[in-house]
Amino acid sequence: DTEVTQTPKHLVMGMTNKKSLKCEQHMGHRAMYWYKQKAKKPPELMFVYSYEKLSINESVPSRFSPECPNSSLLNLHLHALQPEDSALYLCASSHPGGNEQFFGPGTRLTVL
Amino acid sequence: QKEVEQNSGPLSVPEGAIASLNCTYSDRVSQSFFWYRQYSGKSPELIMSIYSNGDKEDGRFTAQLNKASQYVSLLIRDSQPSDSATYLCAVKYGGSQGNLIFGKGTKLSVKP
Repeated sequence: DTEVTQTPKHLVMGMTNKKSLKCEQHMGHRAMYWYKQKAKKPPELMFVYSYEKLSINESVPSRFSPECPNSSLLNLHLHALQPEDSALYLCASSHPGGNEQFFGPGTRLTVL
Repeated sequence: QKEVEQNSGPLSVPEGAIASLNCTYSDRVSQSFFWYRQYSGKSPELIMSIYSNGDKEDGRFTAQLNKASQYVSLLIRDSQPSDSATYLCAVKYGGSQGNLIFGKGTKLSVKP
């Protein structure tokens, strides 16, 4: 199995909800990433985990909380989001150091 | 500030022609360069990576790198309508922990 999977595919949530996005990879990678992509814009890096430890947080608001339970799983916990947080959230994985990052299909998030 | 520049297009070519996509980057210490293809509503798909000066060919795709000019390009030979997508240039800057900087993407349209 050589792919990155993400669930759910679509998520609609209110500003007071708490939800989580999930990402799983079985590529043997030890680095995992969260990106946010708005329409007609490139992906923007949010977080990097290397060997299950958070190594980069690109000044993301605290309403986004990442978690890496093990080397195959990456979660993004969402709380008190704003409508402007609506976007495609992409998970990626790679060998540590970041060469050749492989993206999952993404979660399309809508915040009402 | 590290930047990656691409012509946003749209670039329109007839079926069977060569499509040429260009990218420039600002940081001379960059070591790794990637081209991603992104269909509308989908996630980015890695199609080429290049690390050293010169050409790298994979099927109908050729990536070209010129570090002295800080320039990387992607040629698509025998373009097909299925190649119609947005092509994202991404650069991994030296010393980073996997932080890819993406260009804004070039939208390619291949007309039958």
